Amino acid sequence: AQKVTQAQTEISVVEKEDVTLDCVYETRDTTYYLFWYKQPPSGELVFLIRRNSFDEQNEISGRYSWNFQKSTSSFNFTITASQVVDSAVYFCALSSPGGYQKVTFGTGTKLQVIP
Amino acid sequence: DVKVTQSSRYLVKRTGEKVFLECVQDMDHENMFWYRQDPGLGLRLIYFSYDVKMKEKGDIPEGYSVSREKKERFSLILESASTNQTSMYLCASSPQGRAFFGQGTRLTVV
Repeated sequence: AQKVTQAQTEISVVEKEDVTLDCVYETRDTTYYLFWYKQPPSGELVFLIRRNSFDEQNEISGRYSWNFQKSTSSFNFTITASQVVDSAVYFCALSSPGGYQKVTFGTGTKLQVIP
Repeated sequence: DVKVTQSSRYLVKRTGEKVFLECVQDMDHENMFWYRQDPGLGLRLIYFSYDVKMKEKGDIPEGYSVSREKKERFSLILESASTNQTSMYLCASSPQGRAFFGQGTRLTVV
């Protein structure tokens, strides 16, 4: 069975601070995908990134960066110089490429960026 | 861009009613999913479908059924709505694990 754990339920930071959202996953599959999604107050989930299990390179996209460590089964997400528009619920997710490609989500981390 | 459209943004139904939530995607994806989202519980998979007329139970299928008569449309059915089914319902379609989501339907059962 697959499982995704986001231990941080809510985080508050002051604008321009850096913040890291933690994600720990469990799977027996040797090949899998990891994702991050953002859900702003409007409600629609927005895809941020997909990472293959065999690609452990860190990724940076503007103020966002992701640290994937297979050894600790973690896929953490860092926002640098946070902005009010970053306020949202962030979900980490996991799926296996074979079969029906079910996506298993974590419980989400609510990030509040205070001006 | 992929578009996943859910028929209603907000819905209020009475206990015992039969409720249909409709979802349509325009990208010919084979896999479609229904999730419900509740505070503190994240997104939980209700049912998914990997082809027309094919369906599989997710993690919380009790009280729900689904229908997929055409590839682009995936319906979630609450046979007899109950107050504990008050929730946000999210439909998604997926080509390779990455899910494209609809805007969600907030269902209130009174």
